[in-house]
Amino acid sequence: EDKVVQSPLSLVVHEGDTVTLNCSYEVTNFRSLLWYKQEKKAPTFLFMLTSSGIEKKSGRLSSILDKKELFSILNITATQTGDSAVYLCAVVPFNTGTASKLTFGTGTRLQVTL
Amino acid sequence: ETGVTQSPTHLIKTRGQQVTLRCSSQSGHNTVSWYQQALGQGPQFIFQYYREEENGRGNFPPRFSGLQFPNYSSELNVNALELDDSALYLCASRVLAGGTGELFFGEGSRLTVL
Repeated sequence: EDKVVQSPLSLVVHEGDTVTLNCSYEVTNFRSLLWYKQEKKAPTFLFMLTSSGIEKKSGRLSSILDKKELFSILNITATQTGDSAVYLCAVVPFNTGTASKLTFGTGTRLQVTL
Repeated sequence: ETGVTQSPTHLIKTRGQQVTLRCSSQSGHNTVSWYQQALGQGPQFIFQYYREEENGRGNFPPRFSGLQFPNYSSELNVNALELDDSALYLCASRVLAGGTGELFFGEGSRLTVL
């Protein structure tokens, strides 16, 4: 059974800090790893990673995948209060028929304080 | 805005009752999946529909059932509600063939079972 473990479960930082969120996984027929941000209800897409060592960036957020060691990290630099959310990591199996069957971790709850 | 809409947003039921949740997929997306997210947990895959047929299912009992309609809207039905069914139910859509692993989530329906 596919498995995703995220750490830490929660953290509190001050505005301006840099944070690193971790995601390790076990999955048969790996296709991709996704990061989502969930503020209230709907998870919103951040990144999709398929290849090792290639960093994806979007503003202050960046992410990288290590397929050999089976983990990914999500970095947020110069954090702002608007970054406060639960960050979810999910893996996607390589089978088109079940490509919607994401296996999620429990998420990391980030709180950014002034 | 992901273009995926769900209704109702909140509802309260009692044990043993039945509930129907509805989802309207993003235009052009022909695959819809449903996830259950208990408090403090990541979303868990319930099932997926493609061309009005279920083509993937997670570890949920048969009292969880669904429908997909020709206009790609969808329903999730849960019979004989139990207290543990209290959760946020998320609908997500994507283009099956040739699409990325990214799913577009709706805002969810929060179900409370008393």
